[in-house]
Amino acid sequence: EPEVTQTPSHQVTQMGQEVILRCVPISNHLYFYWYRQILGQKVEFLVSFYNNEISEKSEIFDDQFSVERPDGSNFTLKIRSTKLEDSAMYFCASKYSNQPQHFGDGTRLSIL
Amino acid sequence: RKEVEQDPGPFNVPEGATVAFNCTYSNSASQSFFWYRQDCRKEPKLLMSVYSSGNEDGRFTAQLNRASQYISLLIRDSKLSDSATYLCVARCNAGNNRKLIWGLGTSLAVNP
Repeated sequence: EPEVTQTPSHQVTQMGQEVILRCVPISNHLYFYWYRQILGQKVEFLVSFYNNEISEKSEIFDDQFSVERPDGSNFTLKIRSTKLEDSAMYFCASKYSNQPQHFGDGTRLSIL
Repeated sequence: RKEVEQDPGPFNVPEGATVAFNCTYSNSASQSFFWYRQDCRKEPKLLMSVYSSGNEDGRFTAQLNRASQYISLLIRDSKLSDSATYLCVARCNAGNNRKLIWGLGTSLAVNP
């Protein structure tokens, strides 16, 4: 069964550094998402992406965040200057049309 | 008021018990609803969509009451492997790319 894959599974970064989280959505999917989950808290929406542009973003998704789909397969989330509070699990999801979203295993981001 | 609200539990039940989880949502524009299951530090996995007519999948039954803005999940004959956090999720408004709004989750522990 096709699945969403995310790399790396765990990323440790110094505060203030840039980090790029990578996702390969399911190949025929059209809609792409990033969510995050701080330890012990609920899953929070960050951004949705369709037709090569952001379709919606949350308050969390400020100027430090950006997304790209550079080559038609990868979907990346970049955090420009990481803060301690960016430590969380980051989940990528994708879907085709009006179907449920499929989630990747997540990347655990630890900011030191 | 939280957009999607759940009793966090934990619910501790013996194997074979029937357990019910409730969820309320505040945005009457919410159109689609789902139950996801999340194991500790793993990605959310779709358990079932929730329809107004109610739907059943094996031991799991989901109900939606739009008038009361209330969703439920019933698990019959619970198994040890049902131990997880159950997340109530709403999708607001029309359009295929709308974000998911997550509840905090209800923790279930099924004991031998």
